[in-house]
Amino acid sequence: DTGVSQNPRHKITKRGQNVTFRCDPISEHNRLYWYRQTLGQGPEFLTYFQNEAQLEKSRLLSDRFSAERPKGSFSTLEIQRTEQGDSAMYLCASSPVAGVTGELFFGEGSRLTVL
Amino acid sequence: AQSVTQLDSHVSVSEGTPVLLRCNYSSSYSPSLFWYVQHPNKGLQLLLKYTSAATLVKGINGFEAEFKKSETSFHLTKPSAHMSDAAEYFCVVSGSGGYNKLIFGAGTRLAVHP
Repeated sequence: DTGVSQNPRHKITKRGQNVTFRCDPISEHNRLYWYRQTLGQGPEFLTYFQNEAQLEKSRLLSDRFSAERPKGSFSTLEIQRTEQGDSAMYLCASSPVAGVTGELFFGEGSRLTVL
Repeated sequence: AQSVTQLDSHVSVSEGTPVLLRCNYSSSYSPSLFWYVQHPNKGLQLLLKYTSAATLVKGINGFEAEFKKSETSFHLTKPSAHMSDAAEYFCVVSGSGGYNKLIFGAGTRLAVHP
């Protein structure tokens, strides 16, 4: 399967713990996006990378959140000192050059539950 | 600011009958509009997109949508529903950052009954 891969698919953690999610985009795609989806809502933009450069961050991305894409391939999203409000599905997407088609290719998501 | 409003959170149809999922948008400039579909335990998938070419856009699986600037609408239709169409559908508008920042509606859950 050559689609976008996200791990882990599910994570249950206690409030205050740190969690990290990984996203492996489609190999030839140089843009990578993180979105967050809460129950009953559509996905909300968090941040995006072009190669290894993080070009935009949403105000939703508080100081407890950090995303990296060190070699321009896979990306990680870390949440420090998790809170119950962080419970959501975290979606990763990639695209070759977004301005060409606007089509993003999404992974199946990583569901976070904070107890 | 750009936004989308999906007018129905749930739509239920019988197999073989038409589907209509309604979407209104707000944008300070000519928008690009999309419909994405999310099947259970699957990634979001692009159904179709409007990018200022033809106002009637055809997508995958028999879906189409019509861009109506005067009504600020981009409703999704299909002449005949199939059981496999049951899913969550999202109307999406490009943000001020272009395609790099998509703004999703809250979604419409489509149920298809035999």
